[in-house]
Amino acid sequence: QQQVKQSPQSLIVQKGGIPIINCAYENTAFDYFPWYQQFPGKGPALLIAIRPDVSEKKEGRFTISFNKSAKQFSLHIMDSQPGDSATYFCAASINTDKLIFGTGTRLQVFP
Amino acid sequence: DADVTQTPRNRITKTGKRIMLECSQTKGHDRMYWYRQDPGLGLRLIYYSFDVKDINKGEISDGYSVSRQAQAKFSLSLESAIPNQTALYFCATSAGWEETQYFGPGTRLLVL
Repeated sequence: QQQVKQSPQSLIVQKGGIPIINCAYENTAFDYFPWYQQFPGKGPALLIAIRPDVSEKKEGRFTISFNKSAKQFSLHIMDSQPGDSATYFCAASINTDKLIFGTGTRLQVFP
Repeated sequence: DADVTQTPRNRITKTGKRIMLECSQTKGHDRMYWYRQDPGLGLRLIYYSFDVKDINKGEISDGYSVSRQAQAKFSLSLESAIPNQTALYFCATSAGWEETQYFGPGTRLLVL
């Protein structure tokens, strides 16, 4: 049973575009929602994270939008660059306990 | 030097063989995790340990076992490997007071 559903599975955009990756969850006890970025041949690394007491968080060109009532959160990448090409995973956890990951989105940004 | 290291980085083995994947960390973290990554399935938790004497099963622990030899070392064993265990395996660490998990570079395992 997939507790965190992620879409789309893959995404292709041109440089400067704004890719959006969506995640939905069922367990209302989740209180921490991170996004991890993984480059080929590397392990995932934390990109940005949010807690449900805020609806949006920005770090540089990366923004998380959080909708608690809909149990959804999304990652927006402003002014995307070829260097942003990677696989992105959303995740959720309770009290910083074990993370439940989404299935991943492979993003390709073309020049 | 990398904070989280995994050995071997690549391994080919045969069905029925016992294999051990090792993870070491120099971050001083008390929590360690083992995940497997499969295309289209994301990262799934196999086992996790919050300190040396604490071992917990994750969502896909069948066919795997672990050993926490020290705070810095966490090993994953496949007692009798099967082709279905062909995957990319990641070790991760975190501090108890911090949400961020730090991942190693991964071990690519092929079971023939």
